[in-house]
Amino acid sequence: DTGVSQDPRHKITKRGQNVTFRCDPISEHNRLYWYRQTLGQGPEFLTYFQNEAQLEKSRLLSDRFSAERPKGSFSTLEIQRTEQGDSAMYLCASSPQTAQETQYFGPGTRLLVL
Amino acid sequence: GESVGLHLPTLSVQEGDNSIINCAYSNSASDYFIWYKQESGKGPQFIIDIRSNMDKRQGQRVTVLLNKTVKHLSLQIAATQPGDSAVYFCAENLGDDKIIFGKGTRLHILP
Repeated sequence: DTGVSQDPRHKITKRGQNVTFRCDPISEHNRLYWYRQTLGQGPEFLTYFQNEAQLEKSRLLSDRFSAERPKGSFSTLEIQRTEQGDSAMYLCASSPQTAQETQYFGPGTRLLVL
Repeated sequence: GESVGLHLPTLSVQEGDNSIINCAYSNSASDYFIWYKQESGKGPQFIIDIRSNMDKRQGQRVTVLLNKTVKHLSLQIAATQPGDSAVYFCAENLGDDKIIFGKGTRLHILP
């Protein structure tokens, strides 16, 4: 499978715990995006990277959230001190340099904070 | 403000009929639009896109129409099949490569 992959697919955690998600973009896609999707809503933009540089962060991304893409390939999204309101699907997408507007999504990581 | 929305939250269509899913957008500066299909438990899947310099684009069984005058976008699916059951999102790219999604329309296929 050469699509965007995410790990884990599901995560259940207790409030206050830290969680980390991983995204592996399509090979050679230089842009990588993180979105959050709650039930019944469309995905909402969180942040994106061009290669290893984080170019933009949404105001939705509180101080408890941090994303990295150290080598310009895979990315991690960490949520510290999780809250019940963090429960959502976290989606990753990537796009190639030749067609940066077209984003291809991974299957997502569904987070449930108890 | 900038927003992308859909007129109907749920659309039920007889198998074999054509489906039309509508979308309104508010940012007249948007120059690129995308339709995504999302099946339960999966990420959005790219279906078709269209740039603002076009008013129609066809793919395999799908057609996207863009009416810039009234800021309206539609997705037509020909000969709807059970596998077309999903939530469909229209999305706009504001030129800064962020995609703004609407709330989605659930397409339900009747046997």
